[in-house]
Amino acid sequence: QVQLVQSGAEVKKPGASVKISCEASGYSFSSFYLDWVRQAPGQGLEWIGIINPSSGNTGYAPKFRGRVTLTRDTSTGTVYMDLSSLTSDDTAVYYCARHQSEVGPDYWGQGTLVTVSS
Amino acid sequence: QSALTQPASVSGSPGQSITISCTGTSSDVGSYNLVSWYQQHPGKAPELIIYEGTKRPSGVSNRFSGSRSGNTASLTISGLQAEDEADYYCYSYAGSNTYVFGTGTKVTVL
Repeated sequence: QVQLVQSGAEVKKPGASVKISCEASGYSFSSFYLDWVRQAPGQGLEWIGIINPSSGNTGYAPKFRGRVTLTRDTSTGTVYMDLSSLTSDDTAVYYCARHQSEVGPDYWGQGTLVTVSS
Repeated sequence: QSALTQPASVSGSPGQSITISCTGTSSDVGSYNLVSWYQQHPGKAPELIIYEGTKRPSGVSNRFSGSRSGNTASLTISGLQAEDEADYYCYSYAGSNTYVFGTGTKVTVL
C-alpha cells in the first residue's frame, strides 16, 4: 500500500533552517510528483511546492521562492524539504503528499510539526 | 498567486444540501479543469473527495458532487450527514508548475 512516512517533530529558533524528510513506499517513486503543504495552527492549507522525483525539477509558490528547496534521493525513495530563515509564522504542520497527474495530492504523509520559538 | 476564495463557514441540517464555492481567477480555476476538493477532519490529513472538477475517487460517497463555471468551482454535499462536519478545501493548478489551495470552509451540521 502507498505510504509516506515523514520525519519527526522539530523545534527551531528564529533564523534557523529545518529539513524534513518524506520516505515513499508502495508505488513507483519516480512515477509521481510530490507536493509539500503546510497548515499553521487553526489555519488553512497552504501549498509550498512540488518536485518531480524522476528529474528533480521543482515548482515553488512565489511566497516561498528563495527560502525553500526541495530535493530527492532516488536510491532511498525519499524527498526532502529545506526551509530557511525561519520565523514564528513558519510554525505549522508540514505535509508531503503524492501528486497524481490531473488529480493533485491523493496520499498524504502523517505530517511533521515544526515549532519556531526563541 | 493568491489563495482561492471560499466562504469561511457553511451550515445545514441533516438531509439538506449545501454548496461551497471556490472563486479564483482566469489564471487558475478559470483556465484549467484541474480543481480538486479535500475534506479534513480535526487532527487528520486531508482526504481527496473530488478531482478534475467533477470526478469522485473510488470509495467517495456520491453525495459529494463538483461543478465549475468560469472562475468559480463548487462542491455540493447532498443529504447532509453528521460525519460531513469537517473543513473543506479546493485546490487548483495555477500555471507554471504551481498550485494553490482555497481559504477553506468549515461545514457545520446543525
